[in-house]
Amino acid sequence: KAGVTQTPRYLIKTRGQQVTLSCSPISGHRSVSWYQQTPGQGLQFLFEYFSETQRNKGNFPGRFSGRQFSNSRSEMNVSTLELGDSALYLCASSLHEIQETQYFGPGTRLLVL
Amino acid sequence: AQKITQTQPGMFVQEKEAVTLDCTYDTSDPSYGLFWYKQPSSGEMIFLIYQGSYDQQNATEGRYSLNFQKARKSANLVISASQLGDSAMYFCAMREAPDSNYQLIWGAGTKLIIKP
Repeated sequence: KAGVTQTPRYLIKTRGQQVTLSCSPISGHRSVSWYQQTPGQGLQFLFEYFSETQRNKGNFPGRFSGRQFSNSRSEMNVSTLELGDSALYLCASSLHEIQETQYFGPGTRLLVL
Repeated sequence: AQKITQTQPGMFVQEKEAVTLDCTYDTSDPSYGLFWYKQPSSGEMIFLIYQGSYDQQNATEGRYSLNFQKARKSANLVISASQLGDSAMYFCAMREAPDSNYQLIWGAGTKLIIKP
């Protein structure tokens, strides 16, 4: 089975721009979660989607949003980018529930200049 | 209060030695699960091992085993016969009640460096 895939792998943007990241879960997995990882804050949970519905949300501003499609693929969008949004964005999928074993993609490294 | 504590920010270990990475947790929920993940410098988070709170035996997966001491609320990862490729960040994470809406709770990680 193919693992979790994320595109793009690397991205450079400037402040004020917006960005969309994509995640394709493992085939058959219906839960997709997003995380932001920075050296200072560690791994922080953004949100989780299941069956096209946001089920859990972390403590991030409204500039961070996401969605899930009927094929379980998910996108994450960040509007009005700030320098502090520079991070590794990780997507993880699990079969049904976020509490089950999550399998991660390779991540998207975003640099905001 | 921290729910997951990894007290070792970094560790150096000689190749072929066994390694123990510490993880303590805090929960009042009788049903919980503990995970260990490895993150090499490439960035991908790799699932290593899982231990459920009701599991009678310590989990093992190849060279990885989990030293689960429920009364002490500790779930240390043991890597036997370490290899150079084991150099990475290691994260401990916990999930509480299976029907809870809470996300996984993550520790700060331990950076493990294996010396040749």
